[in-house]
Amino acid sequence: AQKVTQAQTEISVVEKEDVTLDCVYETRDTTYYLFWYKQPPSGELVFLIRRNSFDEQNEISGRYSWNFQKSTSSFNFTITASQVVDSAVYFCALSGSYLKTSYDKVIFGPGTSLSVIP
Amino acid sequence: ETGVTQTPRHLVMGMTNKKSLKCEQHLGHNAMYWYKQSAKKPLELMFVYNFKEQTENNSVPSRFSPECPNSSHLFLHLHTLQPEDSALYLCASSQETGGYGNTIYFGEGSWLTVV
Repeated sequence: AQKVTQAQTEISVVEKEDVTLDCVYETRDTTYYLFWYKQPPSGELVFLIRRNSFDEQNEISGRYSWNFQKSTSSFNFTITASQVVDSAVYFCALSGSYLKTSYDKVIFGPGTSLSVIP
Repeated sequence: ETGVTQTPRHLVMGMTNKKSLKCEQHLGHNAMYWYKQSAKKPLELMFVYNFKEQTENNSVPSRFSPECPNSSHLFLHLHTLQPEDSALYLCASSQETGGYGNTIYFGEGSWLTVV
C-alpha cells in the first residue's frame, strides 16, 4: 500500500521553541520522492522540499531541517526557533514509480496544523 | 509573483448559477491539475491534463466541467452545484505527467461557497 501518515493533527508551540513534524510513509518502491508543503491560512500550498529515496543526507535551509530515515520510513521536518509566521498546515507527500499511470499521482498526508503562539 | 495564479480568490454562488474558476501557470509546465480541499478531509485530486489532454477524471460529478485550451490555462466550469461542494479549489501544475518525482506547484486557491 502507498500511504503517508502524519500522526500529529494539531501542534501548538510558543514562539522560539523548536518543533518537529512527523511523517511516516509506506511504499513498495525502491525509488520514490518525498515532499513537504506549507499551507498558510491564505490557502496556497507552498512547496518546501523534494527528496529522492537515494539521498539520505539531512538537509537544512535556514530554520528548516529535514531528517530522512529509510530504515524507519520517516521524513520528519523540524522548525528551529519557531515564529508566528510558521503557523500553517504542513503536508508531507509521496510520489513513486509504483504509482505511475498516465500522470503523476502524489499521495498527500492528512496534514499537521501548527500554531505558533507569540 | 506566484507561478500559478487563480481567479477569483473567493466566489459565492447559488445552486442554480453557472460560474467558472480560472487558472494560469507561468512556469512553462505541461501538466495542470485541479484539486479539491474540503474542511477536515484530505486533498482530493479531481482532474489532470497533460499537454492539453485530459488524462484523469477522478470520478468527479458532471456538474464540474474542466477545460484546458492550452498548457498554460485551465478552467473549471461550475453548474448546479450543491452546498457540499463548498471547498477550496486548488489549481496546480508540474513539468509533465507520467514520470514520478515532478514537483507539483500550487496556486493560491479559489474559496467557493455554494448557498
